[in-house]
Amino acid sequence: GAVVSQHPSRVICKSGTSVKIECRSLDFQATTMFWYRQFPKQSLMLMATSNEGSKATYEQGVEKDKFLINHASLTLSTLTVTSAHPEDSSFYICSVLFGGGGDTQYFGPGTRLTVL
Amino acid sequence: GENVEQHPSTLSVQEGDSAVIKCTYSDSASNYFPWYKQELGKGPQLIIDIRSNVGEKKDQRIAVTLNKTAKHFSLHITETQPEDSAVYFCAAFNDYKLSFGAGTTVTVRA
Repeated sequence: GAVVSQHPSRVICKSGTSVKIECRSLDFQATTMFWYRQFPKQSLMLMATSNEGSKATYEQGVEKDKFLINHASLTLSTLTVTSAHPEDSSFYICSVLFGGGGDTQYFGPGTRLTVL
Repeated sequence: GENVEQHPSTLSVQEGDSAVIKCTYSDSASNYFPWYKQELGKGPQLIIDIRSNVGEKKDQRIAVTLNKTAKHFSLHITETQPEDSAVYFCAAFNDYKLSFGAGTTVTVRA
């Protein structure tokens, strides 16, 4: 499988500030990465699909101007939560699309965002 | 879009017993079905997967079955151990993305 890292693992910020989360594919060049959000005791909800060198595709209901995604290289995608508010507090998880089948996803360890 | 339902939401088993989690999906075009294990505060870990051209797959104590006609698939864990305690998610791949079930919290009692 693929090894995926995220940084930071935890972040606490004040309301109104912006936070950047990095997702790195450590042993595989990932053309496609995904960003998910998970609220406590809930399932994973896809936020957006990130393709290297092109604009991200956002799921319905996800504000693209609030959740900025940049996939500038085959090993790095970033998610920036702009003007964060307490309701943005969540567990953010990225994944990479792996393999010739084009369907297997390996996930990062997640980033816990708390907005005060 | 795809809708994945997962049951039960919680499952408590005695160590050594088997655990079974069932999922159904709605879109017959879905063709890949992974299962993930998520421990508290961590990202999901892929534990087994199955594609639509296969009916059953086994990896040591874990097995997955798929019934395409009925549009359901199941995870079977045999000889459960305390380290199997976690939240398990099923998923279906369709339209270039995964749709997840709601999750099953499995507790293995020592």
